[in-house]
Amino acid sequence: SAVISQKPSRDICQRGTSLTIQCQVDSQVTMMFWYRQQPGQSLTLIATANQGSEATYESGFVIDKFPISRPNLTFSTLTVSNMSPEDSSIYLCSVVGQDYEQYFGPGTRLTVT
Amino acid sequence: QKEVEQDPGPLSVPEGAIVSLNCTYSNSAFQYFMWYRQYSRKGPELLMYTYSSGNKEDGRFTAQVDKSSKYISLFIRDSQPSDSATYLCAMKGGGGFKTIFGAGTRLFVKA
Repeated sequence: SAVISQKPSRDICQRGTSLTIQCQVDSQVTMMFWYRQQPGQSLTLIATANQGSEATYESGFVIDKFPISRPNLTFSTLTVSNMSPEDSSIYLCSVVGQDYEQYFGPGTRLTVT
Repeated sequence: QKEVEQDPGPLSVPEGAIVSLNCTYSNSAFQYFMWYRQYSRKGPELLMYTYSSGNKEDGRFTAQVDKSSKYISLFIRDSQPSDSATYLCAMKGGGGFKTIFGAGTRLFVKA
């Protein structure tokens, strides 16, 4: 299994500002993912964070808005830049463990006012 | 049309009832089918994992996959208040790790 922690657990931010979310895993993993979960909607993959290379973004998400860092095999950050109320959501970090199962962090609940 | 359709509920049942949760999908390439349980203010946790068609049972939980109908189900027997959560179906094709999730069904089990 993999145990994932995220910081912060929640935040309220003003529009136009940026927030960086941290994801820490208790074991080395190759694949880390960032998801967005909006009320009543399915989990939406933002990007796959690759260690030592650029993140791979899904359609509709761009690096300027959601820059990602992956400095090692246990840590990643997602920044939500120039926030607007539409960015209010839960942001989830996820990894594929050594058992090939997918694990999720507890999420970061973001409210943009 | 969404790749995965799931009724968001909410679904409210009395304790001890049999719960049936369902998803339909459109992509015939999906081979791996999962059910995740998500408690309030927590991340999703894997509950059941099924490859291809058939049934899989784990305690009070049974997952069914009917690939011919593109329909998957999760049954919960003897439901408990602790089963109150959002249940997300998920699926993916072979060879890659991009998983497609349903919107989740909120379940309330009343004591």
